[in-house]
Amino acid sequence: NAGVTQTPKFRILKIGQSMTLQCTQDMNHNYMYWYRQDPGMGLKLIYYSVGAGITDKGEVPNGYNVSRSTTEDFPLRLELAAPSQTSVYFCASSYSAHNTEAFFGQGTRLTVV
Amino acid sequence: RKEVEQDPGPFNVPEGATVAFNCTYSNSASQSFFWYRQDCRKEPKLLMSVYSSGNEDGRFTAQLNRASQYISLLIRDSKLSDSATYLCVVNKGGADGLTFGKGTHLIIQP
Repeated sequence: NAGVTQTPKFRILKIGQSMTLQCTQDMNHNYMYWYRQDPGMGLKLIYYSVGAGITDKGEVPNGYNVSRSTTEDFPLRLELAAPSQTSVYFCASSYSAHNTEAFFGQGTRLTVV
Repeated sequence: RKEVEQDPGPFNVPEGATVAFNCTYSNSASQSFFWYRQDCRKEPKLLMSVYSSGNEDGRFTAQLNRASQYISLLIRDSKLSDSATYLCVVNKGGADGLTFGKGTHLIIQP
């Protein structure tokens, strides 16, 4: 079972470049999330979506954008990469927002130089 | 006060020992609670949910004290494979999902 699939696994960007982190899930989950995790820190929510066509900002949305055109896909866009965006990015999905397990992708390690 | 606080450790524990971690949360309206496990350079995975009555899964026991806003995880007869970071996770009940602690790093030594 695929679960949550993120691509790419690793990427090096130059300052000012843009890229899209892809995330897709095959569990028909309505709820999807993007987190970033810096060394020694907890996961911080960037954006989330409660269903196709609906997205909302999390704790640290600046410098990012998302879209949710289908239930399966929730891409994260970085428009002008900055060194502060060097991090590990995790996409996750869940059946509901309450009392259910969140399933995570394997992560994308992004370095901005 | 941080939303979810954990002792980052590391906890260095001999194989076979019992180890306990604690976590406190600040939002008294929080609705559900979990322990996730994260191996080095891997994604977090659910270890167990935490219920008000306490719950056990094999060598793992989780407890919740709503009055003190405190969650605990006990690992008995620890194995080398238990070495990981344990994340305390709280759901405030909103659509924005889960709030994560920074994690407690556990190292089981042979």
